Amino acid sequence: VQIVQSGSEVKRPGASVKVSCKASGYVFTNFAIHWVRQAPGQELEWMGWINTDNGYTRYSDTLQGRVAITRDTSATTVYMELSNLRSDDTAIYYCARATFSGTYHHLDNWGRGVQVTVSS
Amino acid sequence: DIVVTQSPLSLPVTPGEPASISCRSSETLLHSSGYYTLDWYVQRPGQSPQLLMYLVSNRAAGVPDRFSGSGSGTEFTLKISRVEAEDVGVYYCVQALQTPPWTFGQGTRVEIK
Repeated sequence: VQIVQSGSEVKRPGASVKVSCKASGYVFTNFAIHWVRQAPGQELEWMGWINTDNGYTRYSDTLQGRVAITRDTSATTVYMELSNLRSDDTAIYYCARATFSGTYHHLDNWGRGVQVTVSS
Repeated sequence: DIVVTQSPLSLPVTPGEPASISCRSSETLLHSSGYYTLDWYVQRPGQSPQLLMYLVSNRAAGVPDRFSGSGSGTEFTLKISRVEAEDVGVYYCVQALQTPPWTFGQGTRVEIK
């Protein structure tokens, strides 16, 4: 199993960022993908997840309206776009594969993370 | 949302000695399946988080048996029977019952004395 994320990004406040998460080594549509972020020195914050089979998504209430997670099954890649960036969106953004059974998910393989810096 | 609280937030340990981290949830984590949906992750220095324990007491692949998890209801514990230098990192518990959101604890930093 490999989860490879795109490279670091620097954005201005108000801009958008789209980061990718390419999965390989397993049947892509059998596992969900979650996004979790970590601001400097802070704890982990769950952002959202996508069912890679049918595209169903759910997001954190605090990010609802600014975050969108999509997937390209032919490329076995998931994308996370965060819009209207603010300085407190500066963080490392991780994607992680989720094994799930019904509503229970656990994150068994994580990418290395993408540093997103928002600065004027 | 279910709130998850860890203690202590910092845990200096002596190699070879045991260590214990507590995790408390604001509501019971009992799933209709009969399982408690509480997981543990560890983030070692400079690395991504990785799954350590799922459904309270099931070790993830490759996790040594010096790690154990226990608990029920709203009280859960992660124990390391004999701490090794490689166990340094930040340990997070996370509730996976009422989702979204999955809610993480604040993290417990384990360091060697």
